[in-house]
Amino acid sequence: DQQVKQNSPSLSVQEGRISILNCDYTNSMFDYFLWYKKYPAEGPTFLISISSIKDKNEDGRFTVFLNKSAKHLSLHIVPSQPGDSAVYFCAASSPGNTPLVFGKGTRLSVIA
Amino acid sequence: DAMVIQNPRYQVTQFGKPVTLSCSQTLNHNVMYWYQQKSSQAPKLLFHYYDKDFNNEADTPDNFQSRRPNTSFCFLDIRSPGLGDAAMYLCATSRDSQGNEQFFGPGTRLTVL
Repeated sequence: DQQVKQNSPSLSVQEGRISILNCDYTNSMFDYFLWYKKYPAEGPTFLISISSIKDKNEDGRFTVFLNKSAKHLSLHIVPSQPGDSAVYFCAASSPGNTPLVFGKGTRLSVIA
Repeated sequence: DAMVIQNPRYQVTQFGKPVTLSCSQTLNHNVMYWYQQKSSQAPKLLFHYYDKDFNNEADTPDNFQSRRPNTSFCFLDIRSPGLGDAAMYLCATSRDSQGNEQFFGPGTRLTVL
């Protein structure tokens, strides 16, 4: 039973436009959410995170929105660049000694 | 630069032949993790160490073992690899066990012939 779901396996966006990657979760105990980016032949790298006490966190071109009532979060990339082409993983954690739970990832392709 | 290093990057083994994957970190983090990731799937946590305390996930097969001889190193031993064990194996570290930011190594891609 997947607790973190990324229902879109892939997404294509034109350079300069907005990319929106979505993530849904089922565990209401999750209180911290992260996005990781993964290039081929490399490990995932941390991108941005958000605590459940916030509904938005922004870092440059990247913004994460959290809707707790809907158990939904999204990552917005504006403007999208070809170098953003990668697989993006959503991850969540709950309080206490619990590891991260990852989604299956969404492959973003930014077309020049 | 502080980092997580995995060796080898690519490993080929034969069906049933034991194999060991290694991970080292210069971050001095307390927690080290081993994940298995198959194509188009989420990274699956196999086990993690908080310092020397070993935590095995309930569905991790007995075929997979781990050792952490010191803070810097962690090993994944696959005692009798099967074809279904072919995957990318990712090592990660974090400062504590609250599931916050984890730092990943580049992974070892295991092929089982």
